[in-house]
Amino acid sequence: GQQVMQIPQYQHVQEGEDFTTYCNSSTTLSNIQWYKQRPGGHPVFLIQLVKSGEVKKQKRLTFQFGEAKKNSSLHITATQTTDVGTYFCAGGTGNQFYFGTGTSLTVIP
Amino acid sequence: DGGITQSPKYLFRKEGQNVTLSCEQNLNHDAMYWYRQDPGQGLRLIYYSQIVNDFQKGDIAEGYSVSREKKESFPLTVTSAQKNPTAFYLCASRVLAGGDTGELFFGEGSRLTVL
Repeated sequence: GQQVMQIPQYQHVQEGEDFTTYCNSSTTLSNIQWYKQRPGGHPVFLIQLVKSGEVKKQKRLTFQFGEAKKNSSLHITATQTTDVGTYFCAGGTGNQFYFGTGTSLTVIP
Repeated sequence: DGGITQSPKYLFRKEGQNVTLSCEQNLNHDAMYWYRQDPGQGLRLIYYSQIVNDFQKGDIAEGYSVSREKKESFPLTVTSAQKNPTAFYLCASRVLAGGDTGELFFGEGSRLTVL
């Protein structure tokens, strides 16, 4: 069945360091979405990528969609304590979204 | 304000009991989803519905049931057949126009604990 793997599962960084999480799908995706879930909260949509090789930026966050539309990454530059949470990718195919296992980010002040 | 409302936020149940989790949205979204979240496992799809009176099984539908009698409502019943029901349950909805794109809007979740 459809699988979306995400690494790493956990990441601890010093405030100001960069952070990257990677997402890989076993099959070609129609699109990929990224969500952030704060501790104790619910996932909140960050962005959607649709085109092969697409790159989008939101302030310190950079999102990439691979050429083969099977992988994606989220990079945060100069992390802040407000970046704490779990980041999920969700691969869209047909009418369903397959979520990665998430990367839990801890930022040490 | 438009959004998705889940209730109850916390629920305790004894083994062998069925429980129903409520999910209501006033966003006029066509599609609604139920996900289960366990630590370290991400979100797994239980059921989804794209239109009233129709729904589809997700990856882990066994032991769960749903109904979609109204566009706004998509309740989930956790039956006694579900072997390990203790989890965080998330309801989501989205607009269907545009194919399989469109962000998911999540409710605040319901945390079920089986005693």
